Order: sequence, then C-alpha cells, then structure tokens
Amino acid sequence: QSALTQPASVSGSPGQSITISCTGTSSDVGSYNLVSWYQQHPGKAPKLMIYEGSKRPSGVSNRFSGSKSGNTASLTISGLQAEDEADYYCCSYAGSYVFGTGTKVTVL
Amino acid sequence: QITLKESGPTLVKPTQTLTLTCTFSGFSLSTSGVGVGWIRQPPGKALEWLALIYWDDDKRYSPSLKSRLTITKDTSKNQVVLTMTNMDPVDTSTYYCAHRTTGLRMFDYWGQGTLVTVSS
Repeated sequence: QSALTQPASVSGSPGQSITISCTGTSSDVGSYNLVSWYQQHPGKAPKLMIYEGSKRPSGVSNRFSGSKSGNTASLTISGLQAEDEADYYCCSYAGSYVFGTGTKVTVL
Repeated sequence: QITLKESGPTLVKPTQTLTLTCTFSGFSLSTSGVGVGWIRQPPGKALEWLALIYWDDDKRYSPSLKSRLTITKDTSKNQVVLTMTNMDPVDTSTYYCAHRTTGLRMFDYWGQGTLVTVSS
C-alpha cells in the first residue's frame, strides 16, 4: 500500500484560501469516504482536523473543510491565519490505514 | 479526558527488538469499537501507520511491516504494547500511539510521541 500523494508545499497570504490535495487510488480514497486530515506543528503530535472526508471534530475551526472527488481528497483552509502554518497529512482507511506524504503550509 | 503516553528505550542497537508501551487514561480498551494504534515518523519525514488493536483483540498491521510487528493489550493496566523486531537505523523515528473512537476510522487523540534512535 503506497503513501497517498500530497503536494510538498502550499503557501498563501493571510486571509486567503488554500487547498491541499491528497491523491490515492480506487482502492483507498476512491472507495470509501474515510479520509481524515491532521495538522502538525513542529515538535508536536498530530491533531485531527477532519474525519470521514468532511466532518470537523468539536473545537476545530470552521475555516477548515474537507471534500472528495474520485480518488482525490482535499482540505481547504479559508481565511488563512499565521497559526495555520504547519504540516498537514491526509490519511485513508481501506482495511488498513495509509498516510499521505505531507504538505507544508506556509503563511506568507 | 483522554490521554496517552508512550514509553520505552530511546536508543536501541541494530538487530535488537524494540518494545514500546502506550499507557492511557480516560477510556477503556474493553469498550466496544475502541482501538489504539501506533504511528511513527522519521525525522523530517511523513507519518507512517504501523498497527492497531481493537477492543475485541482484533489486530491489524501495516502490510509492509507485518512480519516484524506484534501488538498486544493489557486492559487491566490500560496499556498497549508494540514490539518491533530486527531494528535498523532506518527505523529511527518518533513513535506515537493514538486512540481510535468507536465506529470512526480516524485517530482523535494522540500521545506526545517518543523518539527512538537505532544506532550501534
């Protein structure tokens, strides 16, 4: 099972919206709506931001949203803020779990 | 409040077996649907899922590492143990344990992680 493909980096100015893609296959991302997204600040543990494709856990800002089209899931951050600068990982479940390659978000 | 904490050696030699313990509180691993997983992250690299154990003792492993991994639980001690055999320098990583909520395929609570270095 290969890692899901994410862009290495995405950047945006404060207030802008950015989208991070997560591409898998018809066997994982495409088969189930079970993609989760995690935010990780340097030296910290990952934090769950989105689960089941588009659901937000309690306490996560509604500036974070998730979607899926075919074999590609996406995480959109709207109203970009300095605190959003972090690494982001997608994760898909298809009998076992597979994480994405990770995306570094930079706030310009 | 759910918390998890990893413990184990910080340094292991090549070919040795690594044993890590995840001690948790705020939930029971005898509750239907609950699971505890292990995920690792080499320095500067991506997350990699390793293993998961469910409340009913069902176990799942990463296909690429299955031959080297064993996951067990001690419900009375609120602990999950991961062993990884034949350690290699490429296994140098921060190892995290994480809670999986009933019925949901995601990890909603994570431990702080423990860095394990493999070196002679």
